[in-house]
Amino acid sequence: ENVLTQSPAIMAASLGQKVTMTCSASSSVSSSYLHWYQQKSGASPKPLIHRTSNLASGVPARFSGSGSGTSYSLTISSVEAEDDATYYCQQWSGYPFITFGAGTKLELK
Amino acid sequence: EVKLVESGGGLVQPGGSLKLSCATSGFTFSDYYMYWVRQTPEKRLEWVAYISNGGGSTYYPDTVKGRFTISRDNAKNTLYLQMSRLKSEDTAMYYCARLQSTMIFDYWGQGTTLTVSS
Repeated sequence: ENVLTQSPAIMAASLGQKVTMTCSASSSVSSSYLHWYQQKSGASPKPLIHRTSNLASGVPARFSGSGSGTSYSLTISSVEAEDDATYYCQQWSGYPFITFGAGTKLELK
Repeated sequence: EVKLVESGGGLVQPGGSLKLSCATSGFTFSDYYMYWVRQTPEKRLEWVAYISNGGGSTYYPDTVKGRFTISRDNAKNTLYLQMSRLKSEDTAMYYCARLQSTMIFDYWGQGTTLTVSS
């Protein structure tokens, strides 16, 4: 199983701050199959970034993703109040093997 | 509009059984691979069942293999999860999710809660 480790587990940010969270894989992941989700309190996870760096429909341009191999990251260029959420990375390595990271909870100061 | 609506969750005693349903609409259900994904009280996400678009292929992680059975009725656009020999560690929110060709879950239901407790 390809274990995804997200860090930090919790981060606090001020409005307008730039933040970066990371997702490290125990084995190399194809960048085509590394994705990010946003989950707000009480809601289902929602696709945020697919294939490492492609924004899902409707996602603001302040979000960006990058990475390759075993190291990936999600950046918010200027945090807004609506970004208060938990962010999960997910990888696929052949059916049916999908794993998720444990999440990074972003809290607004 | 794509919709996935889970139902069937509840409180079950350890060793009991329950069947979840996921009614879908707004897309050609038979074209898509589907998963059940659960979110534990600690907020960890883990897949618990996979089924191919035609239903001929299913997989489960070791944590639920032999206890959970996924199925689908493409005529009714509905996904199912039969759970038996339930354990306290099965307590979670259960989501059905559609797998897109890029291997991202592009649509999720609102979830249904299973609590296993005496």
